[in-house]
Amino acid sequence: EPEVTQTPSHQVTQMGQEVILRCVPISNHLYFYWYRQILGQKVEFLVSFYNNEISEKSEIFDDQFSVERPDGSNFTLKIRSTKLEDSAMYFCAWGTSGTQYFGPGTRLTVL
Amino acid sequence: GENVEQHPSTLSVQEGDSAVIKCTYSDSASNYFPWYKQELGKGPQLIIDIRSNVGEKKDQRIAVTLNKTAKHFSLHITETQPEDSAVYFCAPLGGGSQGNLIFGKGTKLSVKP
Repeated sequence: EPEVTQTPSHQVTQMGQEVILRCVPISNHLYFYWYRQILGQKVEFLVSFYNNEISEKSEIFDDQFSVERPDGSNFTLKIRSTKLEDSAMYFCAWGTSGTQYFGPGTRLTVL
Repeated sequence: GENVEQHPSTLSVQEGDSAVIKCTYSDSASNYFPWYKQELGKGPQLIIDIRSNVGEKKDQRIAVTLNKTAKHFSLHITETQPEDSAVYFCAPLGGGSQGNLIFGKGTKLSVKP
């Protein structure tokens, strides 16, 4: 299936700093998602994004988080003021009708 | 909300044996049931899925069965190979949701040569 690329592959940041994680789809899709996976734990849904708007979000996705697709290509997840507990793998996914394909992920380490 | 339970948490089999992983869910409105394979350091890879109008689906050595009445679905891997070793997640789609996959806690499968 078509792939997405995620950058950076690893991001290290200081607590309180802002980070932007990027997802670049190969094909032009309408549905995008962000998930996170804390080390050794299950994958957790953050937000779904359809036609340039948030369509659904979880309790985890609070005011610290935002998503956008600024140039119609890159799909970004921004964390405004990182906390230690934000350390995790962040996966971008794309798909339709529930079927979702995941990118390779960005490992975020908050010190 | 949806409650997803996955069993067993770890499974060790000999190469060539079969492996079965079971997932139970609570939301009767769920209608899409995928299984993902995750290798170390990689993103989840969709390996097979099934929708609620079908009871079983097979793709070579992998099959998924669904029991909507009992609210569980299972992953079956036959003729296991060492490269099947990974963590497997069930992730039913939350009822009424367009994209919120609810992941189980995962099953670590080890296939011994």
